[in-house]
Amino acid sequence: DAKTTQPPSMDCAEGRAANLPCNHSTISGNEYVYWYRQIHSQGPQYIIHGLKNNETNEMASLIITEDRKSSTLILPHATLRDTAVYYCIVPAGAGGTSYGKLTFGQGTILTVHP
Amino acid sequence: DAGVTQSPTHLIKTRGQQVTLRCSPKSGHDTVSWYQQALGQGPQFIFQYYEEEERQRGNFPDRFSGHQFPNYSSELNVNALWLGDSALYLCASSRRVGQETQYFGPGTRLLVL
Repeated sequence: DAKTTQPPSMDCAEGRAANLPCNHSTISGNEYVYWYRQIHSQGPQYIIHGLKNNETNEMASLIITEDRKSSTLILPHATLRDTAVYYCIVPAGAGGTSYGKLTFGQGTILTVHP
Repeated sequence: DAGVTQSPTHLIKTRGQQVTLRCSPKSGHDTVSWYQQALGQGPQFIFQYYEEEERQRGNFPDRFSGHQFPNYSSELNVNALWLGDSALYLCASSRRVGQETQYFGPGTRLLVL
């Protein structure tokens, strides 16, 4: 998997937008960027993924730079329940994750405070 | 639509014993991957099963083995348990065809004493 770099921790006030950055400078042209999060002692939860265009779903938005070397996950109105470890993953190979493993780094611990 | 389910939720074993963990994939999924997550670490890939065969394997010893059944459910077996095998074991399912996301189950917490 392409190596990703994330800040170890971030804080966010409840109700404000949380912007989580990820660097993936070695990403290949056909590799997707995936975001998962893991709330304490639970299984990782899929959030969103994208290739080159910005993506939005009911949970978050994903902004990928034009050169695809970095991306930002945006939680538009963070709540206390968004406190979790957020993982940015670029699975090796074309397409999505079904053809291979996911390599998890240390992720970013996001703490949302009142 | 049920998501990925795993059983049991918690398990306590002693060193040298063997353990079997079970996973039922999300409806419509045919590929199952297993991960081990030690305390304070990110999940580590163990192996992936598709069409009842191991397709990829991470850096885990042969004590870790698996099986996939015709209904796509899967088992993870660990023999000769070490203290270091204490971890959260996660199962993820996906569809082989196309660019499909892996969805994770809640995990099985294994404690080896």
